[in-house]
Amino acid sequence: GAVVSQHPSWVICKSGTSVKIECRSLDFQATTMFWYRQFPKQSLMLMATSNEGSKATYEQGVEKDKFLINHASLTLSTLTVTSAHPEDSSFYICSARPGQGAHEQYFGPGTRLTVT
Amino acid sequence: TQLLEQSPQFLSIQEGENLTVYCNSSSVFSSLQWYRQEPGEGPVLLVTVVTGGEVKKLKRLTFQFGDARKDSSLHITAAQPGDTGLYLCAGEGNAGKSTFGDGTTLTVKP
Repeated sequence: GAVVSQHPSWVICKSGTSVKIECRSLDFQATTMFWYRQFPKQSLMLMATSNEGSKATYEQGVEKDKFLINHASLTLSTLTVTSAHPEDSSFYICSARPGQGAHEQYFGPGTRLTVT
Repeated sequence: TQLLEQSPQFLSIQEGENLTVYCNSSSVFSSLQWYRQEPGEGPVLLVTVVTGGEVKKLKRLTFQFGDARKDSSLHITAAQPGDTGLYLCAGEGNAGKSTFGDGTTLTVKP
């Protein structure tokens, strides 16, 4: 149980284009999903908290107009990197929390984004 | 801002040795999770501790939550090469957000 998928697992795009990453909770409903960014050999950096049916809450320093988050249902959140630049290249990971009162987050397998 | 200091950052040991990883903070957490991550993959949940002083065991792994819920430790007995990976602690704090430690990269040599 508690499986989270991400799609795509890797993507290469050209500078200036937009990329959408999907995060799905496969066997549970997630009222809250989180989006993280991870640089090589470093820990996870929280980008934003996504709640179903409401606007995402972004961490300080994260541009909400550049990283668009939509949590359209209890099993799906999407992250769109708009007008991507090489410095946006990174490993993006989502996680989902199974309902109110749950402590754990279950992580997706991550998406490797390379912007050329 | 809640901070979680994790140590050591890197650990390289021989198969069969024991090791302990620590996470310390000046903040109180409502719960704390330990994850293990392999390169190119997402973190996998190992355990959640909620109660101060709680001890949980998962085969050769022993997790402890400090009495004041500010710190935690992960002890591995008789480490095996399959234990190699990045170990992350995460403290659940305000508004349900988690603060992650910087991670411990463990290498177990056969």
